[in-house]
Amino acid sequence: DADVTQTPRNRITKTGKRIMLECSQTKGHDRMYWYRQDPGLGLRLIYYSFDVKDINKGEISDGYSVSRQAQAKFSLSLESAIPNQTALYFCATSEAGLAGVEDTQYFGPGTRLTVL
Amino acid sequence: GESVGLHLPTLSVQEGDNSIINCAYSNSASDYFIWYKQESGKGPQFIIDIRSNMDKRQGQRVTVLLNKTVKHLSLQIAATQPGDSAVYFCAGSTYSGAGSYQLTFGKGTKLSVIP
Repeated sequence: DADVTQTPRNRITKTGKRIMLECSQTKGHDRMYWYRQDPGLGLRLIYYSFDVKDINKGEISDGYSVSRQAQAKFSLSLESAIPNQTALYFCATSEAGLAGVEDTQYFGPGTRLTVL
Repeated sequence: GESVGLHLPTLSVQEGDNSIINCAYSNSASDYFIWYKQESGKGPQFIIDIRSNMDKRQGQRVTVLLNKTVKHLSLQIAATQPGDSAVYFCAGSTYSGAGSYQLTFGKGTKLSVIP
């Protein structure tokens, strides 16, 4: 979805390096998410943010941190990358529905991260 | 906790035939479900959704059926086309309190369309 962009699209790094993945959206959504995708494991939630002042841990937050710099920007950091963080990372956004149920998420194109 | 899974990891269908992709969920409190399509090298793309107060919803060439009794939903694709080849994920949303909803994804089914 062109409304959600991620940079970089591909990154190869070494163990112990600090890495930041960026996500920007023009959809005007309040909610943003970071997922990782591994073969056979589907999508797993790392962190999510319901607005600029709100940060919540997801299922697998250890080894990651996030920053919600603005409504449109949500970055994911790996302070000290390790090989098992090699994965495909997706950013997503959603707009809370009136009843709070409609939480359809719109995904960016993904960042392929390889940690050697 | 919630788990959402798919019965079959792969599905091959002849072009023009109908496809049915199945998904089971474990948390009866899940009240909203979404199907996503993920093509190779791309992020998941929303296809269709259904709320728990419905048992069927139709889109363009796609239908989602929800059976709350057995906690099962399916995605039906009519007249499957080569462009439908992708991995399909189901996801279930559960209210986790204080205005928060958690979306749990299944592992995905790979649909291959045979020309």
